[in-house]
Amino acid sequence: DIVMTQSPDSLALSLGERATINCKSSQSLLYSSNNKNYLAWYQQKPGQPPKLLIYWASTRESGVPDRFSGSGSGTDFTLTIGSLQAEDVAVYYCQQYYITPPVTFGGGTKVEIK
Amino acid sequence: QVQLVESGGGVVQPGGSLRLSCAASGFTFSNYGMHWVRQAPGKGLEWVAFIRYDGSEKYYADSVKGRFTISRDSSKNTMYLQMNSLRAEDTAVYYCTKAGLGGSKNDAFDIWGQGTMVTVSS
Repeated sequence: DIVMTQSPDSLALSLGERATINCKSSQSLLYSSNNKNYLAWYQQKPGQPPKLLIYWASTRESGVPDRFSGSGSGTDFTLTIGSLQAEDVAVYYCQQYYITPPVTFGGGTKVEIK
Repeated sequence: QVQLVESGGGVVQPGGSLRLSCAASGFTFSNYGMHWVRQAPGKGLEWVAFIRYDGSEKYYADSVKGRFTISRDSSKNTMYLQMNSLRAEDTAVYYCTKAGLGGSKNDAFDIWGQGTMVTVSS
């Protein structure tokens, strides 16, 4: 199984600051035939289901604010929140959907306002 | 609008059974693969099972293999999860979720239900 490791476990930043969340996979998620990385990012606010933010490592889902961006390739990926807003308080998960089953998720990163 | 609504959760004793349902609306259900994902209280996300758009392929997490069965009825736009031999460690919120874009097992999950709580306790 592919193991997804996120860091940090949590971070607390001031409003307007940049948030950076890292995700490392135990195997490459890059499929050479289509040059796509099979990596997604989800946001989960308290008491709510997860919400898809980013897929193919860097494609923003429709309706997601452009302050959210995804980058990386192979085994190392990053979710960046360009300017942290109060409504961004949540837990963020990365997910690989390349080698399945099983689909695997990172352990989550909790983002709070300082 | 596109929507998934889970039902069937509740409290069950260890060794018992439950059947969860996931009613889909707002999209062509028969064109997309579907997953179940669970989240134990205060914990992260765990993938549970996948069923192909036509029901011809089914996959399970090792933790539930042989105990849980995923199925779907396209005439009712509904997916199911039959859970047998339940254990305390199966206690979680169970989410149904839709495979996005291509609808295959190798797609991100673009739509999630609100979840249904399953508690296994004596």
